[in-house]
Amino acid sequence: AQSVTQLGSHVSVSEGALVLLRCNYSSSVPPYLFWYVQYPNQGLQLLLKYTSAATLVKGINGFEAEFKKSETSFHLTKPSAHMSDAAEYFCAVSLQWETSGSRLTFGEGTQLTVNP
Amino acid sequence: ETGVTQSPTHLIKTRGQQVTLRCSSQSGHNTVSWYQQALGQGPQFIFQYYREEENGRGNFPPRFSGLQFPNYSSELNVNALELDDSALYLCASSLRVAGGETQYFGPGTRLLVL
Repeated sequence: AQSVTQLGSHVSVSEGALVLLRCNYSSSVPPYLFWYVQYPNQGLQLLLKYTSAATLVKGINGFEAEFKKSETSFHLTKPSAHMSDAAEYFCAVSLQWETSGSRLTFGEGTQLTVNP
Repeated sequence: ETGVTQSPTHLIKTRGQQVTLRCSSQSGHNTVSWYQQALGQGPQFIFQYYREEENGRGNFPPRFSGLQFPNYSSELNVNALELDDSALYLCASSLRVAGGETQYFGPGTRLLVL
């Protein structure tokens, strides 16, 4: 079974500062990894995904994440925070669908606050 | 915009009632998944349908059931509603292909059970 741990339920940064949201996963087979963002009263929007190609993945809105197998991590970063980045961020893992379907297992989420 | 729509946006029911939530997937997507997101938590997988057949189920009781139709629409049915069923219900559509599958989410239906 796969699982995801997001370290820090709340992260606060200043506008223009580095954003670092941490995600560690557990999986018995090579996983697919995703970051989604959720704005208040909305669904989930895909930021980026790792599907066993390049380990450094670039996503939308200037976000990127690096897959580190040795650390079982997939941390999300953005060099310079913008006020519009304030939202809830979810890391998720799935397996190849041939293994057990393609259900997403989510972390508990990290609420990002950006201070002016 | 993901091209995934859900209806209704909000719903209030009383304990013991039944509810049907609807989802319209992206055209061409052959897989739909449903998730329950309680307040302040991450989404929890309910079940998944691939080409109109159930293809995986999370830790939810049988009173949660679903259907997927050939016209890219799907339903989540919940019988005998309980107070703890109050949550945001999200559907996600995807195209199952070799090498990976990306789920695109709708805006959700917020269900309140009184």
